[in-house]
Formats: sequence, structure tokens, C-alpha cells
Amino acid sequence: DTGVSQDPRHKITKRGQNVTFRCDPISEHNRLYWYRQTLGQGPEFLTYFQNEAQLEKSRLLSDRFSAERPKGSFSTLEIQRTEQGDSAMYLCASSPKTGASGYGYTFGSGTRLTVV
Amino acid sequence: DAKTTQPPSMDCAEGRAANLPCNHSTISGNEYVYWYRQIHSQGPQYIIHGLKNNETNEMASLIITEDRKSSTLILPHATLRDTAVYYCIVNDGGSGSARQLTFGSGTQLTVLP
Repeated sequence: DTGVSQDPRHKITKRGQNVTFRCDPISEHNRLYWYRQTLGQGPEFLTYFQNEAQLEKSRLLSDRFSAERPKGSFSTLEIQRTEQGDSAMYLCASSPKTGASGYGYTFGSGTRLTVV
Repeated sequence: DAKTTQPPSMDCAEGRAANLPCNHSTISGNEYVYWYRQIHSQGPQYIIHGLKNNETNEMASLIITEDRKSSTLILPHATLRDTAVYYCIVNDGGSGSARQLTFGSGTQLTVLP
């Protein structure tokens, strides 16, 4: 399978607990993105990596959120002290470094987080 | 903020062409038009993109008006599996500052048997 893999697919956690999600992008893609999607809404951008460097973070990424991409391969997204408002689908996408022609992202299937 | 406007929902009969419109009146000269779709409980799936010329691939056709202020995604023979939310997005392809895609609310396409 050469797609984007996310783990776990589902996570139920108690409020206040920490959770960590993993994303394995397509191996030759050097750009990696995290998005969050709540019910009935389109995905919202959280953060972006080019190789191991985190180049952009959204205002949605509060201090409780941290993302890493060591060695420019897989990425993790950690949420500390989870709140019920964090319940959402967390999507990862990757893309190659684009040129003038533009290129589409490949998304994973997402991790659905439920905070109870 | 999303820079596109799409109808919230559309229906299409199975086997017929589905034509999904999108307005992007503020599109810049270096911005592409991308279409993605999202089937329930899955991640968005890339469909097609274009800059100026009409484009066709195995999934769909993209018709961009000459002034580039609007476009239409065409699914030539819609099937029940095409029922999804379709997102129209404008983006410079990552070569500029707007590396991330900005999704709006999309169009819920329902293909009816």
C-alpha cells in the first residue's frame, strides 16, 4: 500500500488525558499536513511540515497541541489535556514538493477522536 | 477564508452527468482550481485540477471559464458510489505562501437510483 496511513483509526479518551496520533506519508512526499474536521464542516488546516521542519501552524493549534516529524518521515500529533471540543476527525495528507504545475494532496483515512 | 462558492447540495440521477458548479471570482493568475471529494467517514480524495485549460482524467472533467472566475466539475456517468461532498479549492500549488489547501463547506452530491 503506497497511500497515507494513519493510526489509530478511532480513539476514545477521557477528558484530561493525552493522546498521540501517527501519520505515515507516501515515502517520496516531503510535505506533510495535519487537518482537523468536525461534523458537517470541511477540513481545517492545523500545521504543515516540509521534511522535518514545521513551517506553518494555524491559530487552531493551541498550546496543548504539538506535532513532530523526526527525520522527515512519519509524523505524530499529540494533544495534551484533551477537552470535549477536541473531538473531531484528524486528517493527515502528504504531497511532493510542487512545481509550477501544481499537485494534489493524498489524504489518509483519518483518526476519529472522541473525548468523553 | 474559503475563496470559492458552491451550492450546498445537489441531486443527480444514476447514469446521468453530474455538473457541479464553483465560483471563484477572486482567483489570482497563478492559482489553480482543485477538486476533491469526501465520501462519508473517509479522507478527502483528489479528483482533478486545472489552471486555464479544460482538463479530463479517468474520474472527471474540469471546465474553467475563459475569465477563470468559475468552473464546473463534470462526472460524466454518475454512480451511487459518487455520492459524496465535493470541494472546490483554489490554490497556487504550493509554490507561493498558501501551501495549505483551504476547504469550504463543499457540495453534497447525492446520486439517486
